[in-house]
Amino acid sequence: EAGVTQSPTHLIKTRGQQATLRCSPISGHTSVYWYQQALGLGLQFLLWYDEGEERNRGNFPPRFSGRQFPNYSSELNVNALELEDSALYLCASSSPTGQGYQPQHFGDGTRLSIL
Amino acid sequence: DQQVKQNSPSLSVQEGRISILNCDYTNSMFDYFLWYKKYPAEGPTFLISISSIKDKNEDGRFTVFLNKSAKHLSLHIVPSQPGDSAVYFCAARAVLRTYKYIFGTGTRLKVLA
Repeated sequence: EAGVTQSPTHLIKTRGQQATLRCSPISGHTSVYWYQQALGLGLQFLLWYDEGEERNRGNFPPRFSGRQFPNYSSELNVNALELEDSALYLCASSSPTGQGYQPQHFGDGTRLSIL
Repeated sequence: DQQVKQNSPSLSVQEGRISILNCDYTNSMFDYFLWYKKYPAEGPTFLISISSIKDKNEDGRFTVFLNKSAKHLSLHIVPSQPGDSAVYFCAARAVLRTYKYIFGTGTRLKVLA
């Protein structure tokens, strides 16, 4: 079974540019989560998509946005990039939410560097 | 406001001994608690979870204990192996109108051979 795949592995941008990060969930998973891990910090929840809808959002400005496509893959867009956006961006997917807990499975992340 | 805290940034343990990683939380609206392991250049890997209605869950060498009165959970690894050397994150799922996952800042475990 293929795991969660993220692209690109590394992305270098300059301040003010826009970045697009992509995520393909595990087959059969309908939920996609995005997290930011800045240096020295834990994973900060960004966005949760399920069945094409945004279900929840973390404490990030509106220039962080995303979407989920009909095939459940997802994009994270970051506009007007700032130096502090430099971080590892992790995508996770899980099975359809139902009773009990469905563990999240993570990709290896996209390292975004802002120069 | 860090609702899930891992106060020990690092821990060293001798191979074969027990590793105990700790996590404290402040919110009573969490329904599940989880532990993830992360190797460098890889995404976190799910290890074990526990429901808020339980106080212990065991899976092989890994056991998670939940003390709701103290708002504390711990992960025990017995026996510790060099391959367990990684960063361990505890996380909690908040039950709001929808779910939200909150992660701690991680504890780097080093198992010495």
